[in-house]
Amino acid sequence: GAGVSQTPSNKVTEKGKYVELRCDPISGHTALYWYRQSLGQGPEFLIYFQGTGAADDSGLPNDRFFAVRPEGSVSTLKIQRTERGDSAVYLCASSKAPTGELFFGEGSRLTVL
Amino acid sequence: GNSVTQMEGPVTLSEEAFLTINCTYTATGYPSLFWYVQYPGEGLQLLLKATKADDKGSNKGFEATYRKETTSFHLEKGSVQVSDSAVYFCALSLGGGTSYGKLTFGQGTILTVHP
Repeated sequence: GAGVSQTPSNKVTEKGKYVELRCDPISGHTALYWYRQSLGQGPEFLIYFQGTGAADDSGLPNDRFFAVRPEGSVSTLKIQRTERGDSAVYLCASSKAPTGELFFGEGSRLTVL
Repeated sequence: GNSVTQMEGPVTLSEEAFLTINCTYTATGYPSLFWYVQYPGEGLQLLLKATKADDKGSNKGFEATYRKETTSFHLEKGSVQVSDSAVYFCALSLGGGTSYGKLTFGQGTILTVHP
């Protein structure tokens, strides 16, 4: 596709449930990033992949959060035992190289009831 | 730690007015600075950037100058249009190798331009 694609665009779940959010980056982009944006705030870095490996996961808030990118393209962010405080918009971005110009998707809005 | 502070919003202007959105930063090293914009219903996109002191980034009539002495990167446009209505985010990256895309964002400023 032409841009970064994220699915689902909206996800409503109950506290304690497991959630997966998917990101399909721009073809050929080797770097992939996940950010989280709470209401009224700027995005906060979660994790960065270069190829298949997580080069920097220092932004993951705790061990309930995990992300994979097994073939160096599509990535999945996984959240276990969701809490109400996990409610946010999860943004994915990709770039050709770690150059700083990121191309963002429209995000997946997660609501934990 | 690293942080970015943007002027409080929202900002409401009439078409053709002058725009300034203030941005200041705190960083442990020598950051690269960015302005990203989010138009309604779209993803964040890079508006402009500057990678060293005194550099001026510019795009679509917007400008920002990297001021190391005041740790600022204020966004300006001489004559705004209704189509500039969006949320604007200032961001920094300490750059260098793999951390270049690891951005620290400000909280965003909502701009609304009326005809």
